[in-house]
Amino acid sequence: KAGVTQTPRYLIKTRGQQVTLSCSPISGHRSVSWYQQTPGQGLQFLFEYFSETQRNKGNFPGRFSGRQFSNSRSEMNVSTLELGDSALYLCASSLDDGRGRGYTFGSGTRLTVV
Amino acid sequence: GENVGLHLPTLSVQEGDNSIINCAYSNSASDYFIWYKQESGKGPQFIIDIRSNMDKRQGQRVTVLLNKTVKHLSLQIAATQPGDSAVYFCAETLTGRRALTFGSGTRLQVQP
Repeated sequence: KAGVTQTPRYLIKTRGQQVTLSCSPISGHRSVSWYQQTPGQGLQFLFEYFSETQRNKGNFPGRFSGRQFSNSRSEMNVSTLELGDSALYLCASSLDDGRGRGYTFGSGTRLTVV
Repeated sequence: GENVGLHLPTLSVQEGDNSIINCAYSNSASDYFIWYKQESGKGPQFIIDIRSNMDKRQGQRVTVLLNKTVKHLSLQIAATQPGDSAVYFCAETLTGRRALTFGSGTRLQVQP
């Protein structure tokens, strides 16, 4: 079965711009989570969506937002980009069967802010 | 790559040796733990998981040990191969929290 698909793979943006990243989960997975990975901070949780509802949010400023569509695909948006937003953004999908298992990650979108 | 510049602890082993990667987790209430492998340019890949009601779980060439008393996880890789070279992360969560907390990672280098 197809894995988690993230698009685009690479992005270069200028400070102050905004960006939208996309994630298509594994078929049948209804939970989608987003993580930011940087050399300095490692992997950090951004937010999690299930059935179009945000259920959990990490400690990131309001410039980071997301949404989920009825087909479980998810997008995240970062507005007013800062240099420090340069990172690998990873999406993970899971069954969310109540046991907290089965997080599968995509290959990520590498965002560079210049 | 995403781990370039980050001073990760590095474990260097010879091909065929056994590897042990350690992780200290932070939340004593966490009840589910996962080990991930991340190769350059890729997302984390699931290796093995364990629930807090177990202290050991085995997979193919890998074993995870959980010591809740000292909040410690370890990943043992038997007969390490060059293809095992990657950065390894432990992650913890609490059922219902729906968010993983990752450790800082360990780079495994396998010398042929």
